Amino acid sequence: ETGVTQSPTHLIKTRGQQVTLRCSSQSGHNTVSWYQQALGQGPQFIFQYYREEENGRGNFPPRFSGLQFPNYSSELNVNALELDDSALYLCASRYDTGPYEQFFGPGTRLTVL
Amino acid sequence: QQQVKQSPQSLIVQKGGISIINCAYENTAFDYFPWYQQFPGKGPALLIAIRPDVSEKKEGRFTISFNKSAKQFSLHIMDSQPGDSATYFCAAALGNQFYFGTGTSLTVIP
Repeated sequence: ETGVTQSPTHLIKTRGQQVTLRCSSQSGHNTVSWYQQALGQGPQFIFQYYREEENGRGNFPPRFSGLQFPNYSSELNVNALELDDSALYLCASRYDTGPYEQFFGPGTRLTVL
Repeated sequence: QQQVKQSPQSLIVQKGGISIINCAYENTAFDYFPWYQQFPGKGPALLIAIRPDVSEKKEGRFTISFNKSAKQFSLHIMDSQPGDSATYFCAAALGNQFYFGTGTSLTVIP
């Protein structure tokens, strides 16, 4: 196990709703990244937080937002859900320095109806 | 545009055989190339990684071969075992951004 946990495991929402997904990073990891993994695809980078500030973002619209807290927990918020947002959402944490190794959580499966 | 292209999409290998998965990338600025293994219901787990100043890295049964001039890298799994059956992703990283391939579903037949 990586020590990275995510909640909830599964979630069902309807189009237009808002959702908050949670991640608890491995202790000591100052950096957390969020990824969207559509069925049969590789993870796509959403954004990264370092010491509670967003410091990198992939090709995702502003309705995807996040927060990182001092206790190594973080959130991914998605507003105005669309059907295409249905995916596995992964968080990954790592030390702020080092050889890029990141540790993934098990993911949250989001279904938008 | 797909930054990292991975092939094959699926692979079936006999127990004891060699599994080979290939990836190609576009951006020569990428400076870290990891391979991840993912089992159903789990997040990806780092298997092995290489930096572009090295042409090969071996860890146990897993080897990465890296060809900088061709912008290609591959994962070789020697003596493949049924427990290796999983989805494998290559990735390329630049700074804090990781770009993943589309994955290869490996099945090792006993």
